[in-house]
Amino acid sequence: EPEVTQTPSHQVTQMGQEVILRCVPISNHLYFYWYRQILGQKVEFLVSFYNNEISEKSEIFDDQFSVERPDGSNFTLKIRSTKLEDSAMYFCASSRRTGGNNVLTFGAGSRLTVL
Amino acid sequence: DQQVKQNSPSLSVQEGRISILNCDYTNSMFDYFLWYKKYPAEGPTFLISISSIKDKNEDGRFTVFLNKSAKHLSLHIVPSQPGDSAVYFCAAEGAGNMLTFGGGTRLMVKP
Repeated sequence: EPEVTQTPSHQVTQMGQEVILRCVPISNHLYFYWYRQILGQKVEFLVSFYNNEISEKSEIFDDQFSVERPDGSNFTLKIRSTKLEDSAMYFCASSRRTGGNNVLTFGAGSRLTVL
Repeated sequence: DQQVKQNSPSLSVQEGRISILNCDYTNSMFDYFLWYKKYPAEGPTFLISISSIKDKNEDGRFTVFLNKSAKHLSLHIVPSQPGDSAVYFCAAEGAGNMLTFGGGTRLMVKP
């Protein structure tokens, strides 16, 4: 079964450092997403990406964050100047359809710990 | 702004009995509702969905019911199995393809 893969599984960083989280979506999917889950809280939408540009973003996704699809397979989330409150599980997801029962396939997540 | 809410953080059920997980929403513009299951150290996995124009969708042991007037949906699992123990997230799809998740309900099925 095709799956979304994410690296690293866990990253520990110092406050103020830049972090890049990587994702390989399912190959025939067209929409890509980043969600995050702070420990004990709900899964929150960050951003969706289609046709090499951001299609939707939440209030959380401010100038500190950026996404990129540098080649045909990878989808990255960059967090500049990390803060303590950025510590969370970051999930990448992809989907094939643009709407109407848009089933997302999630990766296993990247745990980010900011010290 | 909690557009999707799961009021029960946890639920404990005996194996073989029915599990009922509930979800409430506030935005009447949601088109689809989905349930995801999440095991520790894994990402959410799609379980079942329902269109806003339907009131029931069934897939094996899993049935989702939608009450649009009450803005309420529920997931029924029958019979419940120990392997069903996980966190269940209700999610709603609106404009722009993004999913809005509820806070999750941890289901524990006791053998």
